[in-house]
Amino acid sequence: GAGVSQSPSNKVTEKGKDVELRCDPISGHTALYWYRQSLGQGLEFLIYFQGNSAPDKSGLPSDRFSAERTGGSVSTLTIQRTQQEDSAVYLCASSLMGTLNTEAFFGQGTRLTVV
Amino acid sequence: TQLLEQSPQFLSIQEGENLTVYCNSSSVFSSLQWYRQEPGEGPVLLVTVVTGGEVKKLKRLTFQFGDARKDSSLHITAAQPGDTGLYLCAGEDDGQNFVFGPGTRLSVLP
Repeated sequence: GAGVSQSPSNKVTEKGKDVELRCDPISGHTALYWYRQSLGQGLEFLIYFQGNSAPDKSGLPSDRFSAERTGGSVSTLTIQRTQQEDSAVYLCASSLMGTLNTEAFFGQGTRLTVV
Repeated sequence: TQLLEQSPQFLSIQEGENLTVYCNSSSVFSSLQWYRQEPGEGPVLLVTVVTGGEVKKLKRLTFQFGDARKDSSLHITAAQPGDTGLYLCAGEDDGQNFVFGPGTRLSVLP
């Protein structure tokens, strides 16, 4: 695709349910990032993939959060047993690895609301 | 962990005024970027600075990278309502991971 695509764009879920968020990066971009943005706040780093491996998982807030990437392309972020504090916009970005001045291209995000 | 701080956190000004926002860190970054995010959208890259002391201009926006590559500033001349948004700075560390600051939320009133 021409840009980073995220789905769903909006998700309302009940507390305690599991949710899966999807990110389809720009073709050929080997680096993929997940961030969380609470209302009126900046970006909170969650996890970073180089290809299919995740060298930096330090941002995942709890063991309820996990992410995977297969085939060096699509990534899914899974939140188990959702809590109300998980409500936020989840942004995915991709970039071309191996070069300086790499630009992170962002999707429009998934707005998650836990009720 | 490399951290970026931004100031001010919020800024509300009248159309036509000038403003400067700052991005600071105790760490050295190989490059630093500025993004603008509008409501309901993902951040979009404005500029990348790489060389210490570098100054880049983008129309009414002037970006400067500190000599030690630890800080940066964004100056907007004659601000317009269309400049309203969240301005984020991001540093690219040696692992090519992007570290974002918390952002400066700018509101330009007509």
